[in-house]
Amino acid sequence: EIVLTQSPDFQSVTPKEKVTITCRASQSIGSNLHWYQQKPNQSPKALIKYATQSFSGVPSRFSGSGSGTDFTLTINSLEAEDAATYYCHQSSSLPRTFGQGTKVEIK
Amino acid sequence: QVQLQESGPGLVKPSQTLSLTCTVSGGSISYGSYYWSWIRQPAGKGLEWIGRIYSSGSTSYNPSLKSRVTISVDTSENQFSLRLNSVTAADTAVYYCARERGEYSYVDYWGRGTLVTVSS
Repeated sequence: EIVLTQSPDFQSVTPKEKVTITCRASQSIGSNLHWYQQKPNQSPKALIKYATQSFSGVPSRFSGSGSGTDFTLTINSLEAEDAATYYCHQSSSLPRTFGQGTKVEIK
Repeated sequence: QVQLQESGPGLVKPSQTLSLTCTVSGGSISYGSYYWSWIRQPAGKGLEWIGRIYSSGSTSYNPSLKSRVTISVDTSENQFSLRLNSVTAADTAVYYCARERGEYSYVDYWGRGTLVTVSS
């Protein structure tokens, strides 16, 4: 099983600040890494696919980078609506796994 | 627009079987290279992939649950289902049905989730 480890677990950020969340895989997964945003009492929503590709409708302040074992989700100029928990997810092998989540709080 | 909706009992007794159904609308479960998945989330915790099924009936399960899980598909009803045997309190969670876009792909559609509590 591929273990995904996110850091940090929690981040308290001021609006307009830049947020960086990392996800490290226990073995190489190429670019088969995706990011989701989950707000309280909602289903997760896909933000980034295949490490770097954005979805239409997702604000351009969200971006992803990385390949192999190390990945990053960046939120440029954080907005209040970005308060959520963010998860990475690998689709390289079975079983599918998720990172433990990073909770982003707005100061 | 594809929509998924979970249904089933919200309360299950310990040692019994949890059964949930996911109804897919806005698209046929039989068409496309999609995989239909179950994912769960205990309160305040992260996401755990339970398993998935292809329209052909081919399944894959999380080894941590494999001995207790069965996922099946009913293409005539455009539904797929989850059965989890011998449940304990540790199985209490929000259960999501979801669509994986391909064999090595991301989840593009999620149901709203349904809370299942295991308690006597």
